[in-house]
Amino acid sequence: KQEVTQIPAALSVPEGENLVLNCSFTDSAIYNLQWFRQDPGKGLTSLLLIQSSQREQTSGRLNASLDKSSGRSTLYIAASQPGDSATYLCAVLPNLFYNQGGKLIFGQGTELSVKP
Amino acid sequence: GAGVSQSPSNKVTEKGKDVELRCDPISGHTALYWYRQSLGQGLEFLIYFQGNSAPDKSGLPSDRFSAERTGGSVSTLTIQRTQQEDSAVYLCASSKRTGTGNSGANVLTFGAGSRLTVL
Repeated sequence: KQEVTQIPAALSVPEGENLVLNCSFTDSAIYNLQWFRQDPGKGLTSLLLIQSSQREQTSGRLNASLDKSSGRSTLYIAASQPGDSATYLCAVLPNLFYNQGGKLIFGQGTELSVKP
Repeated sequence: GAGVSQSPSNKVTEKGKDVELRCDPISGHTALYWYRQSLGQGLEFLIYFQGNSAPDKSGLPSDRFSAERTGGSVSTLTIQRTQQEDSAVYLCASSKRTGTGNSGANVLTFGAGSRLTVL
């Protein structure tokens, strides 16, 4: 059974720091991996999607990497800002569900706080 | 609409009562998903609708949970005889279609969720 783990559960950093969020998964048979952002009282926003054949994706100050063989992904946030404060969720789409693109398996998230 | 709309945003009910949660997906999105987010836990898949196909109910935790999608658009998640462990945020998401490829069509758009509290 696929399990997704995110460490740490919470992280507090001063503004301007570069930081890395970690995601690990137990079964490497994944079709893709996504990073989401969740703000209190709001829905999830998709940040980056990495297909299994890719090694990384970049969007602005965000860079996500994927090492399928080791079951790991990282989300790198450069020059963090208070507006980055949110919960970041990692989710994998198992190969078994490749044609059911929303049957994702989520980690529990990392709650990020960026202090001014 | 511009986004996925869910109602009510908050619902407090007594144990044993039935509740209905509504999801209005983005117009034209054929795939619709319900997830549950319990305190301290990750999102848990509940049910999935794709077009006119029979729904995938594999994630529903018990037969007290059911969902329907009328006219390929609005969906209602019903929880009968609610229990305290049903307390959670219920999230709905939709996408243009399911399938393979790198296109953004498979990216889910989530609603803000319905927070259910069972006393």
